[in-house]
Amino acid sequence: DTGVSQDPRHKITKRGQNVTFRCDPISEHNRLYWYRQTLGQGPEFLTYFQNEAQLEKSRLLSDRFSAERPKGSFSTLEIQRTEQGDSAMYLCASSSQAQETQYFGPGTRLLVL
Amino acid sequence: KQEVTQIPAALSVPEGENLVLNCSFTDSAIYNLQWFRQDPGKGLTSLLLIQSSQREQTSGRLNASLDKSSGRSTLYIAASQPGDSATYLCAVQGAQKLVFGQGTRLTINP
Repeated sequence: DTGVSQDPRHKITKRGQNVTFRCDPISEHNRLYWYRQTLGQGPEFLTYFQNEAQLEKSRLLSDRFSAERPKGSFSTLEIQRTEQGDSAMYLCASSSQAQETQYFGPGTRLLVL
Repeated sequence: KQEVTQIPAALSVPEGENLVLNCSFTDSAIYNLQWFRQDPGKGLTSLLLIQSSQREQTSGRLNASLDKSSGRSTLYIAASQPGDSATYLCAVQGAQKLVFGQGTRLTINP
């Protein structure tokens, strides 16, 4: 097993453009999480899936953000009409059971110009 | 609302020293506490997970303790090495999500 993977690793975009990130969790994990981390801060929770169901969303996830996990495997996070404040590292994690270790991917670093 | 605080924000010590990183949280109703390591520009690597019913966990030169009633955890690193230089993050887990502290940036000087 190669762990959690994320694509792309880096993304530079202009303000107002849409971007989409992908996360592939560890294959047997049914729980998938998205977090956002800005410089010098700890990660902040965005949303969580159990299988294909999105069970919790943070208030940080404005209506410009949407996440999907259509077949309960990989997940996508889309940001529409990007703003400079969206610049951050977007981290994905997965786990096999509730209250167990979450394994993180390498992250996607987004820069909005 | 759960809040997690890590002290100090940064720490620089000579190689070989033993050191302690501190983490405190405001709501003791947690399922577990995790310590992570993050290298610059990279993702998070899980170091230790302590279940709420446990008092401590050990892995190699690392030892983490948990006092749920007082809302505190410590990460003890023995015989520090330059390769230990990184940011260390503490996170508590409620129902599902992790709530993170801001991290302690550790530098080990050769």
